[in-house]
Amino acid sequence: AQKITQTQPGMFVQEKEAVTLDCTYDTSDPSYGLFWYKQPSSGEMIFLIYQGSYDQQNATEGRYSLNFQKARKSANLVISASQLGDSAMYFCAMKRGHWWGAQKLVFGQGTRLTINP
Amino acid sequence: EPEVTQTPSHQVTQMGQEVILRCVPISNHLYFYWYRQILGQKVEFLVSFYNNEISEKSEIFDDQFSVERPDGSNFTLKIRSTKLEDSAMYFCASSERGGLTQETQYFGPGTRLLVL
Repeated sequence: AQKITQTQPGMFVQEKEAVTLDCTYDTSDPSYGLFWYKQPSSGEMIFLIYQGSYDQQNATEGRYSLNFQKARKSANLVISASQLGDSAMYFCAMKRGHWWGAQKLVFGQGTRLTINP
Repeated sequence: EPEVTQTPSHQVTQMGQEVILRCVPISNHLYFYWYRQILGQKVEFLVSFYNNEISEKSEIFDDQFSVERPDGSNFTLKIRSTKLEDSAMYFCASSERGGLTQETQYFGPGTRLLVL
């Protein structure tokens, strides 16, 4: 079975600082994908960044990067130069990497990030 | 940019009533999903759908739930007899393909269901 753990229920960061949101996972599948989603107070789920289990390099998307440590089974999200608009709930999720079928996402509990001015 | 849409945004219903939540996935996507999020909790998988049939369903998705793709654009979730514990945000998601690890699921804005 797959499991995602986010141990930080809440994080408070000053604007313009970098922040790291932790995510550890557990799976026996050799192929899997890791995703981060942002959920603002309005409720929608916004895809941020993806990392594949076989990717050699850490994923980056603008101010978002993923610190992927496969041996430790961690996939931490790093947000550089945080902005007030980054205040939201952040979810780490995992998907099995089989070539067939519709693969469900398994989510962690989430981390609520608050950026202070 | 194409997006997943959901209607209604909010629904209030009485316990025991039937509700239908509607979703329009991104037009070239072939895989569809429903998730739910009880207030303050994590997002949970309900069901996945491909080629006009259910691919996988969770233990939450019991006989009270059904999904349908009634035409080429809509994807619906029906709850036949709502219970208080069905109160949640329901998200529809779609992806172009299913099994590849990098295949991103794009979520709709959600329908907030309140059962009284």
